Amino acid sequence: KQEVTQIPAALSVPEGENLVLNCSFTDSAIYNLQWFRQDPGKGLTSLLLIQSSQREQTSGRLNASLDKSSGRSTLYIAASQPGDSATYLCAVLPDLTQGGSEKLVFGKGTKLTVNP
Amino acid sequence: KAGVTQTPRYLIKTRGQQVTLSCSPISGHRSVSWYQQTPGQGLQFLFEYFSETQRNKGNFPGRFSGRQFSNSRSEMNVSTLELGDSALYLCASSPRTTNTEAFFGQGTRLTVV
Repeated sequence: KQEVTQIPAALSVPEGENLVLNCSFTDSAIYNLQWFRQDPGKGLTSLLLIQSSQREQTSGRLNASLDKSSGRSTLYIAASQPGDSATYLCAVLPDLTQGGSEKLVFGKGTKLTVNP
Repeated sequence: KAGVTQTPRYLIKTRGQQVTLSCSPISGHRSVSWYQQTPGQGLQFLFEYFSETQRNKGNFPGRFSGRQFSNSRSEMNVSTLELGDSALYLCASSPRTTNTEAFFGQGTRLTVV
């Protein structure tokens, strides 16, 4: 059974700091991994999608890496801003051809606070 | 291009009642999935529909059901509501079912009193 873990559960940093959020998963048989952002009481906003054959994806100040063999992904946020404060969730999509179930499996998220 | 639309945004229901939530996917997307989010359990998969057929179902009681219409819009229904059903219900839209990016709506906040 695929399990996704995100550490730390909460993180508080001063504005301008570069930071790394971690995501680990137990089964390397995945199609892709997605990072999402969730503001309080709101839905999920897709930030980055990394296919299983890719090593990283970049969008603006965000860079996500994937090491499928070790079951790890990181989300790097450069020059953090107060507007980056939110909960960040990672999710993996198991590979059906290897017996996975067609559904996203989510971590519990990292709550990020960027202080002005 | 319009995003995923969920209605209503907020609902308050009494124990024992039933409720129907609606999700309109992104135009052209044929796969709709539903998730329940609670503080204790996080995001849990409810079910997935593609071309009006339920393809996958999570580990929820039979009180939770859904359907998809020919225009890909989907509804989920919860009967005989319990206090523990209070949650944020999120709908995700994808162009197909396999190896594709998921786009989420704003969710429906259901409170059962």
